[in-house]
Amino acid sequence: DGGITQSPKYLFRKEGQNVTLSCEQNLNHDAMYWYRQDPGQGLRLIYYSQIVNDFQKGDIAEGYSVSREKKESFPLTVTSAQKNPTAFYLCASSDGVRYGYTFGSGTRLTVV
Amino acid sequence: AQKVTQAQTEISVVEKEDVTLDCVYETRDTTYYLFWYKQPPSGELVFLIRRNSFDEQNEISGRYSWNFQKSTSSFNFTITASQVVDSAVYFCALSELSGTYKYIFGTGTRLKVLA
Repeated sequence: DGGITQSPKYLFRKEGQNVTLSCEQNLNHDAMYWYRQDPGQGLRLIYYSQIVNDFQKGDIAEGYSVSREKKESFPLTVTSAQKNPTAFYLCASSDGVRYGYTFGSGTRLTVV
Repeated sequence: AQKVTQAQTEISVVEKEDVTLDCVYETRDTTYYLFWYKQPPSGELVFLIRRNSFDEQNEISGRYSWNFQKSTSSFNFTITASQVVDSAVYFCALSELSGTYKYIFGTGTRLKVLA
């Protein structure tokens, strides 16, 4: 079945470390997205990519980096510059404006 | 500018009550798409419905129904005879044909259905 796979489901990071969250899709979607969700809050866009080798900053890109070397993959790195990285991270993909997003199951990142 | 407003932050109902979740949007496009997603406690967002700007027919799917009114820029979601399993956060979203692939989400409405 087609879908989006995010891994790991839970991730613990020490202060000052970089960590990378994985997002893979087999839907053949052009666009991919990363969102951050804090407890009781809505979705905030970190980065998005409409095509391979191209990506744009979202509303809260500071302290994060991404790459889009393959259509299927859009990994997110949470760098040590991100002051408060503890949150729930959701990856999504889309085949255009008409069809909606397909979301992954999320990664819960905790700084210890 | 595009915007989606879900004014209801949290709603609590008793099981079997009907409940309506409001969604008001702003857009300058004539062609756009509206969506509802459900986020249960597990966290993954689940697609519920899509509606394009040219189709103002109301939609019913089991206990769920959606009322799209362009005159008031609203796309409201009603759950009839609510159940505990309906407890979740519900998001409304907008995309525009002339825009980027970036969708605009509302802030979500947390629905609690009490047994």
